[in-house]
Amino acid sequence: EDQVTQSPEALRLQEGESSSLNCSYTVSGLRGLFWYRQDPGKGPEFLFTLYSAGEEKEKERLKATLTKKESFLHITAPKPEDSATYLCAVQADNNNDMRFGAGTRLTVKP
Amino acid sequence: EAQVTQNPRYLITVTGKKLTVTCSQNMNHEYMSWYRQDPGLGLRQIYYSMNVEVTDKGDVPEGYKVSRKEKRNFPLILESPSPNQTSLYFCASRIYRGTEAFFGQGTRLTVV
Repeated sequence: EDQVTQSPEALRLQEGESSSLNCSYTVSGLRGLFWYRQDPGKGPEFLFTLYSAGEEKEKERLKATLTKKESFLHITAPKPEDSATYLCAVQADNNNDMRFGAGTRLTVKP
Repeated sequence: EAQVTQNPRYLITVTGKKLTVTCSQNMNHEYMSWYRQDPGLGLRQIYYSMNVEVTDKGDVPEGYKVSRKEKRNFPLILESPSPNQTSLYFCASRIYRGTEAFFGQGTRLTVV
């Protein structure tokens, strides 16, 4: 069965303090790995899709990377507006939908 | 504007009273799905639909029904709600399976 584990559960950073969020996964045949951002009381918002090991994608202060077992979301010099829950999800070749991790709740203090 | 619209946003109901949460998308997407989100458990899929008149169970389908009579609409039906269905519900659509999902704003349901 596909499994997705995100760590840490919660992360508190000072503004400007760079860090990384981890998403470990087990899937038979990865079709795609997705990162989403979710603000309190709102629906998840798509950030990135990664398809194969070694792939990297960037958007503003965020950079997502992928290996055969895990993905990292690197946050460089975060700002308070980056505070949110970040969700990772995997789509397997033989599955009809994504499986989500429980998320990492990021708080960036000014 | 491309969007997924759910209604209502908030709903408090009593045990056993049938309810429907509507979901509509304006992107002509083939694939739609429903999730529930509970603290510590993440998003879990309830039902999905790969096209009109094609629906199937997700991980937690018990107590829910869906229908897909039109491409744009995918309502979630709770025939006899129970307190353990108190949760935050999200509808999502995708161009097809394997692509990124677009989520609605969510429906916070409380069953007392």
